[in-house]
Amino acid sequence: QTVVTQEPSFSVSPGGTVTLTCGLSSGSVSTSHYPSWYQQTPGQAPRTLIYSTNTRSSGVPDRFSGSILGNKAALTITGAQADDESDYYCVLYMGSGIWVFGGGTKLTVL
Amino acid sequence: QVQLVESGGGVVQPGGSLRLSCAASGFTFSSYDMHWVRQAPGKGLEWVAFIRYDGSNKYYVDSVKGRFTISRDNSKSTLLLQMNSLRVEDTAVYYCANVYGYYFEYWGQGTLVTVSS
Repeated sequence: QTVVTQEPSFSVSPGGTVTLTCGLSSGSVSTSHYPSWYQQTPGQAPRTLIYSTNTRSSGVPDRFSGSILGNKAALTITGAQADDESDYYCVLYMGSGIWVFGGGTKLTVL
Repeated sequence: QVQLVESGGGVVQPGGSLRLSCAASGFTFSSYDMHWVRQAPGKGLEWVAFIRYDGSNKYYVDSVKGRFTISRDNSKSTLLLQMNSLRVEDTAVYYCANVYGYYFEYWGQGTLVTVSS
């Protein structure tokens, strides 16, 4: 049973930089997992931020960036703003038509 | 613009059935693979099922295999999820999303399924 791991919570100061990660319970995340990232505020549908590791979705500010850091996928927010306070989810393609979401990270901006 | 509108949610007893629909517009539905994703109250997102653009291949998370069936009607630009033998743990908001490459491009607003006696 593959588990995708994310930090349950994170805190960043306004204007600060934060990096959220997305790992595997066993093994390393690579570009072949096509990691993507989604932002969700309470009561709303998810919004696509990053796909294929590091491509920003249309309309997403360039303060959001994606990468592979070590053995994990990463989402970096540079110059955090108050409205970045949300839940963030990564999802990995595991092959054979199977996708697995991480448990999500609750980001607080204060 | 792209619109995905889910419907069919509601309250059902354990062991019951529901059929969810996702009406698509603003893009060529028949050219896109599609997903169902769910989110239990206060919990994270969970991928549920995937179907190829032509319905030729279908994949499911282990917890719904044998109980849920994903299908599509390309003539009506509609994605379906037939849910049988429902369990309390299937209670969630169910979202449909289209696939672009390997990611979830656009999402509907979701429909709530509550399994309770």
